[in-house]
Amino acid sequence: GEDVEQSLFLSVREGDSSVINCTYTDSSSTYLYWYKQEPGAGLQLLTYIFSNMDMKQDQRLTVLLNKKDKHLSLRIADTQTGDSAIYFCADNNNDMRFGAGTRLTVKP
Amino acid sequence: DADVTQTPRNRITKTGKRIMLECSQTKGHDRMYWYRQDPGLGLRLIYYSFDVKDINKGEISDGYSVSRQAQAKFSLSLESAIPNQTALYFCATLDRLGTEAFFGQGTRLTVV
Repeated sequence: GEDVEQSLFLSVREGDSSVINCTYTDSSSTYLYWYKQEPGAGLQLLTYIFSNMDMKQDQRLTVLLNKKDKHLSLRIADTQTGDSAIYFCADNNNDMRFGAGTRLTVKP
Repeated sequence: DADVTQTPRNRITKTGKRIMLECSQTKGHDRMYWYRQDPGLGLRLIYYSFDVKDINKGEISDGYSVSRQAQAKFSLSLESAIPNQTALYFCATLDRLGTEAFFGQGTRLTVV
């Protein structure tokens, strides 16, 4: 099947920017998503980007999409301790497939 | 009511037993999904459904079955549970546009 891959860990200091990266293989995906999972909770849809867009900004979140390289990134500006969580990218053709998740740790 | 409700939240069962996990939603979304989450493996898709008459296998459907009883209800069954089905299971919904998604709180299943 098609794969979505992302690195497993990222550690940043409070106030810095975080960049979480993802690569995907299914070029026919209409949307690409970023989800956040806090401990003991289900996943929360943070943002999505339509496949014909290059960038989407939503407050502290910036999503960049490079269709040629099939690379998606999520930048979190001014990262706070409350941003500590696991972040998943996902694509959506007919099914919705997820990467393994990146555990973001924010140090004070 | 929560947007997506999963029952039970926790379950311990014995090897060989049949178990059903239930999911109901209040969002009116057509698309529903079942995933399992294992440490370091992310979420893996078990089954998905686009409407009541539509059922599709995901990456890891072996050992599982599903039923879409109504638009709002999508249940996952393990006909004969085995220990490697111990995991956290999530139900999710997605609207037709693909821009609104909700997850349940998860069901932690332990097979002993």
